[in-house]
Amino acid sequence: QVQLQQWGAGLLKPSETLSLTCAVHGGTFSGSYWSWIRQSPGKGLEWIGEINQSGSTNYNPSLKSRVTLSIDTSKDQFSLKMTSVSAADTAVYYCASTEGNYYYYMHVWGKGTTVTVSS
Amino acid sequence: DIQMTQSPSSLSASVGDRVTITCRASQTISNYLNWYQQKPGKAPELLIYAADSLQSGVPSRFSGSGSGTDFVLIISSLQPEDFATYYCQQGSNTPRTFGQGTKVEIK
Repeated sequence: QVQLQQWGAGLLKPSETLSLTCAVHGGTFSGSYWSWIRQSPGKGLEWIGEINQSGSTNYNPSLKSRVTLSIDTSKDQFSLKMTSVSAADTAVYYCASTEGNYYYYMHVWGKGTTVTVSS
Repeated sequence: DIQMTQSPSSLSASVGDRVTITCRASQTISNYLNWYQQKPGKAPELLIYAADSLQSGVPSRFSGSGSGTDFVLIISSLQPEDFATYYCQQGSNTPRTFGQGTKVEIK
């Protein structure tokens, strides 16, 4: 059973770069997409983007200019970088394993990382 | 982007009640519709995928149906552990989009 362990800096200043990593335990990268989703305080879920084993990416157009997803298959890890953060980026960030053949459902989630942007 | 609209935004129900949550897509998405449950302070958990397929380990009191633009999540007999927020998500196009959520509260 795949488990996801995520980590990264939780407190950032405006204009800094958010960097989070998610490690995959108990599974492989093949056949899946690896996603990032965020949830602002008291709000719903916002999809950030997804990456597959080959490094093919899809991004949310609303964030695309600031977001880069990457994958390191040798370490079974994938990562999120978001530049020029502001208070609007304060949220809980989740990584997720996503079925990548047809229905693109997120069937395994990390526990979430709380990121706060404040001067 | 495909907009996903859930109704109601919140509801109050009692243990044992039958609960129905609807999700409407702004354009047809066939059956590329998934449902999640989220409890406070926890990550969402997958309940239903492909509109009507029950994720392994999810109780059979949860069911989903629909196709095209209109979808339904039903909890046949609400249990204490089901009080949570429920989200639909479309997997038809990018960006993947979620409904705004339906909070199920204790009556």
